[in-house]
Amino acid sequence: GESVGLHLPTLSVQEGDNSIINCAYSNSASDYFIWYKQESGKGPQFIIDIRSNMDKRQGQRVTVLLNKTVKHLSLQIAATQPGDSAVYFCAENISNAGNMLTFGGGTRLMVKP
Amino acid sequence: DAGITQSPRHKVTETGTPVTLRCHQTENHRYMYWYRQDPGHGLRLIHYSYGVKDTDKGEVSDGYSVSRSKTEDFLLTLESATSSQTSVYFCAITLDRDYGYTFGSGTRLTVV
Repeated sequence: GESVGLHLPTLSVQEGDNSIINCAYSNSASDYFIWYKQESGKGPQFIIDIRSNMDKRQGQRVTVLLNKTVKHLSLQIAATQPGDSAVYFCAENISNAGNMLTFGGGTRLMVKP
Repeated sequence: DAGITQSPRHKVTETGTPVTLRCHQTENHRYMYWYRQDPGHGLRLIHYSYGVKDTDKGEVSDGYSVSRSKTEDFLLTLESATSSQTSVYFCAITLDRDYGYTFGSGTRLTVV
């Protein structure tokens, strides 16, 4: 069963295109950021993380960009596939304030075949 | 998810009854968390634990209590369930600070 927000922002892309999902974080003291993917009926799954001493990090088909000046985080997915359809959450943490992540509201990615 | 199990997966209960949800991990991770997920609110932290018998409140702790008597188990109790506690509950674990969380598969709780 689907359990995420009914009125999430939605990004619809064609299979094979690149996807960019954006996130504005709230706390300028945050120094650790994570992107999660949540498929229907499942728990959030770790995709990629980045620390504040970096502005870019790449994984397999995914890239996270961090702009601390404007408190913005983005997730780029290359050659989007139907299996990428899910809700994507960003999360932020302040290291010296304990290990408690604060999650954004999420974006639903829909991939059209 | 490997290493973390939530039980039950689904539960329907009546208003006013006590309910306990269980999170069990086999990773020997120090930190454990309980979140609830609701439409329009995303994931919100209920309680967390940073070791055996060490727990603290999150942003939506009212109406919930937790216990951690062993590293591997973190229990979430609703002393007297209310309809506003109908939600999907996720447990998460992490090894240490500045590590990503691993989430369980969730418990869907309906209070009628």
